[in-house]
Amino acid sequence: GNSVTQMEGPVTLSEEAFLTINCTYTATGYPSLFWYVQYPGEGLQLLLKATKADDKGSNKGFEATYRKETTSFHLEKGSVQVSDSAVYFCALSDPDSWGKLQFGAGTQVVVTP
Amino acid sequence: DVKVTQSSRYLVKRTGEKVFLECVQDMDHENMFWYRQDPGLGLRLIYFSYDVKMKEKGDIPEGYSVSREKKERFSLILESASTNQTSMYLCASSSLILRRESYNEQFFGPGTRLTVL
Repeated sequence: GNSVTQMEGPVTLSEEAFLTINCTYTATGYPSLFWYVQYPGEGLQLLLKATKADDKGSNKGFEATYRKETTSFHLEKGSVQVSDSAVYFCALSDPDSWGKLQFGAGTQVVVTP
Repeated sequence: DVKVTQSSRYLVKRTGEKVFLECVQDMDHENMFWYRQDPGLGLRLIYFSYDVKMKEKGDIPEGYSVSREKKERFSLILESASTNQTSMYLCASSSLILRRESYNEQFFGPGTRLTVL
């Protein structure tokens, strides 16, 4: 079956540091890939997506590139802010799934001033 | 502004009680989803509905049922709550999927943290 593996958190870093959250996946076929973010006390919201190999998704200074050869979709941001403190979820949508999502375990990120 | 609302942010129930979690969306979406969120496990799909009165089991449907009598409302029912159902429950909705390989963004509610004593 499909699965998504994320690096464990929490990840603690200082403001303006570089952030990377690793995500790898297992899937049959060619899934679409997503990063969702959950700010404290809120539901999840879509951060970015990529629907085919070599696509780069970007939003709010975050980027992730769909790497088919390494089955990865790592999230990066060059300079984090305190307001980026949240839980980040990597997810995939299998072509046979009619839009259903498979989520990773989530990675908590804590940014300190 | 699009909105998915859930009836309670926090809920405390006793073992054996029947529990209703309500979700309402104002976006006229066809698809609605119920997930539970647990530390280290991420989100797991409980049930999915793609139309009024239609439902499909997700990955962990045991101990749960759902009801969708109106397009905007999707209810999750715990027939007899147990302590292992203590969790955060998230509802989401998305617009109609026209092809099986398509994807439309899911919009999430704020969640209901349920504690079963």
